[in-house]
Amino acid sequence: AQKITQTQPGMFVQEKEAVTLDCTYDTSDQSYGLFWYKQPSSGEMIFLIYQGSYDEQNATEGRYSLNFQKARKSANLVISASQLGDSAMYFCAMREGVNTGTASKLTFGTGTRLQVTL
Amino acid sequence: DSGVTQTPKHLITATGQRVTLRCSPRSGDLSVYWYQQSLDQGLQFLIQYYNGEERAKGNILERFSAQQFPDLHSELNLSSLELGDSALYFCASSVGAGLAYEQYFGPGTRLTVT
Repeated sequence: AQKITQTQPGMFVQEKEAVTLDCTYDTSDQSYGLFWYKQPSSGEMIFLIYQGSYDEQNATEGRYSLNFQKARKSANLVISASQLGDSAMYFCAMREGVNTGTASKLTFGTGTRLQVTL
Repeated sequence: DSGVTQTPKHLITATGQRVTLRCSPRSGDLSVYWYQQSLDQGLQFLIQYYNGEERAKGNILERFSAQQFPDLHSELNLSSLELGDSALYFCASSVGAGLAYEQYFGPGTRLTVT
């Protein structure tokens, strides 16, 4: 089974509008972290936002917010006031396991390509 | 700029050859991760080092190996290269190896095997 599922291969949004990118995850761990990364056409991976499984409030970073619904195992990224520069691939990722300093790889979804239009 | 550097940026080589990809983590980061991004496999974790020791292995082929040196830079060695090894190879680093530490990615090395 996929650990991270991103069901939207591509999305379009008009400039200045808000957009939600979906992400669902699957884990039996009680302690885990959820991340979103942006990959523009230039290829680099840019960290956007982090949500811990025990965080009670949804994470926000500027125009990015994470709509965390633990019972539904979803961690959707909301981008407000979209800009042309937001056009990129967006990846949801998860890190599982307790915070013991041991292996902490990221498992990525397949990504959503967002295109912002005028 | 994430502070993680990777060299070279591009690499073109022939099947059967061996290459070495280099990564310097952000200053102060002890943990280094290698990922492979290909069209058919997506982004996959290869291997992790923490302060010089191997911590975890993912889908890393036996033809691939890595190490982290005392100055914390890391190298990924790919040998007996095949066409299917063509991919973007990322190095990432984090301060610790625990749950909440975000990983900062380098710009990647794009490997093309011909």
